[in-house]
Amino acid sequence: SQQGEEDPQALSIQEGENATMNCSYKTSINNLQWYRQNSGRGLVHLILIRSNEREKHSGRLRVTLDTSKKSSSLLITASRAADTASYFCATVQNTGGFKTIFGAGTRLFVKA
Amino acid sequence: SAVISQKPSRDICQRGTSLTIQCQVDSQVTMMFWYRQQPGQSLTLIATANQGSEATYESGFVIDKFPISRPNLTFSTLTVSNMSPEDSSIYLCSVEGTGGLQFFGPGTRLTVL
Repeated sequence: SQQGEEDPQALSIQEGENATMNCSYKTSINNLQWYRQNSGRGLVHLILIRSNEREKHSGRLRVTLDTSKKSSSLLITASRAADTASYFCATVQNTGGFKTIFGAGTRLFVKA
Repeated sequence: SAVISQKPSRDICQRGTSLTIQCQVDSQVTMMFWYRQQPGQSLTLIATANQGSEATYESGFVIDKFPISRPNLTFSTLTVSNMSPEDSSIYLCSVEGTGGLQFFGPGTRLTVL
């Protein structure tokens, strides 16, 4: 399978709460990226963390990366109804050519 | 960043027919990527299209089913051939920007009856 694992598959929270999504991958990576997709539309890039970084922040987003465990987490703080979307992690793998492989995704629903 | 457009945005097709999806980028790029997203699923890479060479297909995808053209550095097409209902998906093209970021087109939503 191309895909890594993400958990939870679906997450429902109240506005103002924090949302944490986890991602695991299978091979060595150059970097890991998180994307957001609203209702089956195109994906929007959120944040990229390189393999030599452990934590990165962007606004209300916090991403961690543990290469020893081949895992990453995305934390959205103080969630809003507008954060409702699907979130995917993606890894750039060098397997005979650089290519981006996506995780299974987490469907986040933020209730107002 | 790159601005990517796709045509058509959606289509409903009969089984056994073929559909060609176009992807246009507003800047020259070496590699373009085609993904499939089945209903409720994540993205699966179909193939990588380099200008001037044959596309490289991922396991489970073959050229006869998904022929790809890459006539220049800003354009690519993906054809879904001899369609069946199982081909109903969103098809997305993407390009790689600076630092490994992927920029995606809006997708083509295909329904096969």
